[in-house]
Amino acid sequence: DQQVKQNSPSLSVQEGRISILNCDYTNSMFDYFLWYKKYPAEGPTFLISISSIKDKNEDGRFTVFLNKSAKHLSLHIVPSQPGDSAVYFCAASRGYNQGGKLIFGQGTELSVKP
Amino acid sequence: DTGVSQNPRHKITKRGQNVTFRCDPISEHNRLYWYRQTLGQGPEFLTYFQNEAQLEKSRLLSDRFSAERPKGSFSTLEIQRTEQGDSAMYLCASFKSRAGGMQETQYFGPGTRLLVL
Repeated sequence: DQQVKQNSPSLSVQEGRISILNCDYTNSMFDYFLWYKKYPAEGPTFLISISSIKDKNEDGRFTVFLNKSAKHLSLHIVPSQPGDSAVYFCAASRGYNQGGKLIFGQGTELSVKP
Repeated sequence: DTGVSQNPRHKITKRGQNVTFRCDPISEHNRLYWYRQTLGQGPEFLTYFQNEAQLEKSRLLSDRFSAERPKGSFSTLEIQRTEQGDSAMYLCASFKSRAGGMQETQYFGPGTRLLVL
């Protein structure tokens, strides 16, 4: 039962353009969503998050959008840089601040070409 | 704040052997999580501690797996009688719960990569 899905295993984007990574979830009880970035042989690094009471959160080049009715979130990276090349995981949690575990998607490998 | 550390970073073992991994969370982080990641998948939750109490265990955590956090600081994850299917990256994350609904982040360590031959 895959509660969080990232349907695109890979994405290739030209440097300077926008990268859009997508994530779908099935559990309407999730109240917090996060994006992590992962390089090979390292642990995931937190990127940006959003509470279910919001529909948008921005941090520099990164913006996360949440569409609760569609149970869909997306991460926009503008402009994309070669250093953004990594695997991106979306994660969701129920009762996050009370210790809720993270449920991760399968990941999308982003390649930003110079 | 030196981040979450995990040891060893790599472990190769033969099927049937026992292995133990250690996680040192960020100091003052009262919650500690273990996840497992296999190739092509996202991390999967295994178990978590609040201080020294183990509050939740996944169905993925068979009886060959045991985790402890004896003094509410570092944690160990032991796998007994390892099987080839146990080969994975084992990730530890820590988190500081805050009153008032302030959001925090689960910080991950670099992981321990286990290969069972």
